[in-house]
Amino acid sequence: QKEVEQNSGPLSVPEGAIASLNCTYSDRGSQSFFWYRQYSGKSPELIMFIYSNGDKEDGRFTAQLNKASQYVSLLIRDSQPSDSATYLCAVTGAYSGAGSYQLTFGKGTKLSVIP
Amino acid sequence: DAGVTQSPTHLIKTRGQQVTLRCSPKSGHDTVSWYQQALGQGPQFIFQYYEEEERQRGNFPDRFSGHQFPNYSSELNVNALLLGDSALYLCASSSWGATEAFFGQGTRLTVV
Repeated sequence: QKEVEQNSGPLSVPEGAIASLNCTYSDRGSQSFFWYRQYSGKSPELIMFIYSNGDKEDGRFTAQLNKASQYVSLLIRDSQPSDSATYLCAVTGAYSGAGSYQLTFGKGTKLSVIP
Repeated sequence: DAGVTQSPTHLIKTRGQQVTLRCSPKSGHDTVSWYQQALGQGPQFIFQYYEEEERQRGNFPDRFSGHQFPNYSSELNVNALLLGDSALYLCASSSWGATEAFFGQGTRLTVV
């Protein structure tokens, strides 16, 4: 059973600070890693994906992947109140040849940015 | 360029009834996946359609079925609704073989 674990939070950070969100996964064959942002009552919005070990930066967001530790994180620099949302970590397993990829999600971490 | 569209946005059904939810994928995408998101949980994979065939299925009973049409749009059908089927149903659009998936706005189903 593939599992994705996230701290449910809530994680509270002051405006302008760095928010650090963490995720671990159980399937060592996982290949692709995604962070989705979900505002209350809305659908998930893809904000970043990462495939290779190391860091990937996109604006104020940095995704970090460590496959040896089965760990992926998301850093949000200069956090804004508009960043307050639930952040979902999702992974895809190894391609089985039977079809396209399916996403396995964690339960999400609720982030609150305090003005 | 329209994104992923789902209909209806909200739905209230009675236990035991049947429901059909609809999804049109993003332009250029040919693969549709359906997810169920219960309150406070992450989305759970139901199944995926490509070339009008179910390609993968998650751990959901046969009461959940689907269909994909030649224009790539898709339907999710749920029979014999249970109270526990109340959730946000999400359609994800992607290109076959690609990993990035984009979600529609979801359908909020309430079973009473």
